[in-house]
Parts: sequence; structure tokens; C-alpha cells
Amino acid sequence: EPEVTQTPSHQVTQMGQEVILRCVPISNHLYFYWYRQILGQKVEFLVSFYNNEISEKSEIFDDQFSVERPDGSNFTLKIRSTKLEDSAMYFCASSVGRSLEQFFGPGTRLTVL
Amino acid sequence: GDSVTQMEGPVTLSEEAFLTINCTYTATGYPSLFWYVQYPGEGLQLLLKATKADDKGSNKGFEATYRKETTSFHLEKGSVQVSDSAVYFCALQYSGGGADGLTFGKGTHLIIQP
Repeated sequence: EPEVTQTPSHQVTQMGQEVILRCVPISNHLYFYWYRQILGQKVEFLVSFYNNEISEKSEIFDDQFSVERPDGSNFTLKIRSTKLEDSAMYFCASSVGRSLEQFFGPGTRLTVL
Repeated sequence: GDSVTQMEGPVTLSEEAFLTINCTYTATGYPSLFWYVQYPGEGLQLLLKATKADDKGSNKGFEATYRKETTSFHLEKGSVQVSDSAVYFCALQYSGGGADGLTFGKGTHLIIQP
């Protein structure tokens, strides 16, 4: 059964460093999403991406964040200069169309020291 | 803004017990409502959904009814199994051209003991 994959499963970085989190969405899906969950808090929507551009973003998704689909399979989230408060679990998701079921990856745990 | 509130966990039950996980929401419009489940080491999986008032979503013995009058979408199961141990997330989303992102609750960790 097709699934969304994410790498790495756990990333440790120093404050101020850049990190890139990678996702491979399901191959025939057209919409891609990033969410994050800070420990003990809610899963929060960050951004959606369609047709090689951002479709929607939340207020959390500021200039430190960017997303890209560098090739036909990967979907990446870059955090330019990490802060301690960026430590969270980051989930990637994809869907066939807008407002249709979103399929989630297992998440990348980011720890910023 | 929109929000989802779930009962705090962990919820610990014995096998074959009746399960209720409460979920209430605040929304300006008429969202679709979802329950997602996350098993250890895996991503969130859609468990069930309901798209309009009085709809009942069901899957794998779980049920939830969209109650507009009480703005609730409580998850129930008549007889839980050890394999139901997981984290359960209630969520809402606007369909038909509304916002892309799901709005989630904090999640409820369910532990079923044999």
C-alpha cells in the first residue's frame, strides 16, 4: 500500500543551523502539507503546496521556513536558522486533491540544542 | 479562530471495556470532522469522518456522530482491544474551497490493558 515516507526520523541540530526535512509523498497525490507538534501541544498546520507553489500557510510559517519540491518525488521543509522553540515533531502529508483525505508520514523529530 | 478540544489522557481501560473519547469544536462555519489514530512509530491514519450534522462516521468498530447542537464529535467503541492502544486525534477541516489545513486537538493517548 502506498505511503508517505519521511527522513530522517530524528534530527538533532544546534541553534542557528539550517535543517532540511524530507518527505516523499504518495506518487499520484497533488497536494502536500507540513504540520508540526510541539511536545504536549496540538498538531498545527504549517503550509500546503500545490502546483509548485504555496497554496496556504499559517502564521507559524514565517520567513525562517520554506518549502520546495526539488524533483518529481521529494517535498522538503527548510528551516533557515533554527531556534530552540522549533523543537517538535514535523509531519508531512499528501492528498489527491484539496479537502480530500490527507495521508500522513511517520514524522521527523527535530531537536534543537 | 477555529479550535478542537479533546479530553486529556492517558485513558487506561481494560480489554472489552466501553470507550468514549470526548471531542468538542469551535468553528465559524460548517466543517467536516475527523478522527485520526497514530500507532507507535507510524503516521496519523484517518479512522473515520463525518461531513455534515447528524452524520455518523464508523470504522473498525469505532463510531462518532456529528452533533451540531452540542458542537461535539465524541469517539466511541463498544469493546476495546489491546490493539486499539494508540493516540487518537480529533480534527476539523473546511471542505469545498475552504482552508487546506486540518485543525487538530491535542490527542488522547489510549492504553488498553489485557
